[in-house]
Amino acid sequence: QSALTQPASVSGSLGQSITISCTGTSSDVGSYNLVSWYQFHPGKAPRLMIYEVSKRPSGVSNRFSGSKSGNTASLTISGLQAEDEADYYCCSYAGSNNRYVFGTGTKVTVL
Amino acid sequence: QVQLQESGPGLVKPSETLSLTCTVSGGSVRSGSYYWSWIRQPPGKGLEWIGYIHYSGSTKYNPSLKSRATISLDTSKNQFSLQLRSVTAADTAVYYCARAEDSSETIDYWGQGTLVTVSS
Repeated sequence: QSALTQPASVSGSLGQSITISCTGTSSDVGSYNLVSWYQFHPGKAPRLMIYEVSKRPSGVSNRFSGSKSGNTASLTISGLQAEDEADYYCCSYAGSNNRYVFGTGTKVTVL
Repeated sequence: QVQLQESGPGLVKPSETLSLTCTVSGGSVRSGSYYWSWIRQPPGKGLEWIGYIHYSGSTKYNPSLKSRATISLDTSKNQFSLQLRSVTAADTAVYYCARAEDSSETIDYWGQGTLVTVSS
């Protein structure tokens, strides 16, 4: 099972919006509406930001939104803030055998 | 608030067995609504799902590990563990324990991760 493809880095200025793509295949992203997104800050536990493509867990800012089209899922961060600077990984359910496949990760820099 | 914390040796010799434990607080491993999982990330590389265990005892592993992994549950201590046999330098990674919801297949809580280095 190959990793999902994400851009290595995305940057934006304070207050701007950015979008991170996550491209898989018809065996994972394209087959299931079970894509989630995680925020990784050094030394902290990864945090769930989006699940089931576009749902936000309680406590996650509505500046974070998710979508999917075909084999590509996307995470949009609007009104970029300094604390959004982190690594972001997507994850897709990939069926009963391989279960989960993760993205290659994207470093978000706030300018 | 559910919290997970990994523990175990940070250094393992090649060909030996890597053993890690995850202690769960704020939730119970006895809950039938979750899968208790291990995920790893080699330095400079992406995340890899290792496997999970359910309270029922059912387990599932990533086929790429070629049957080297075993995940077990200790309900008396509210913990679950990972054993990875015959390790090589390629198994050097940050190892995370995590919880996944049964209904949504969503990994919703993670531990902070622990670095395990395989070296003689």
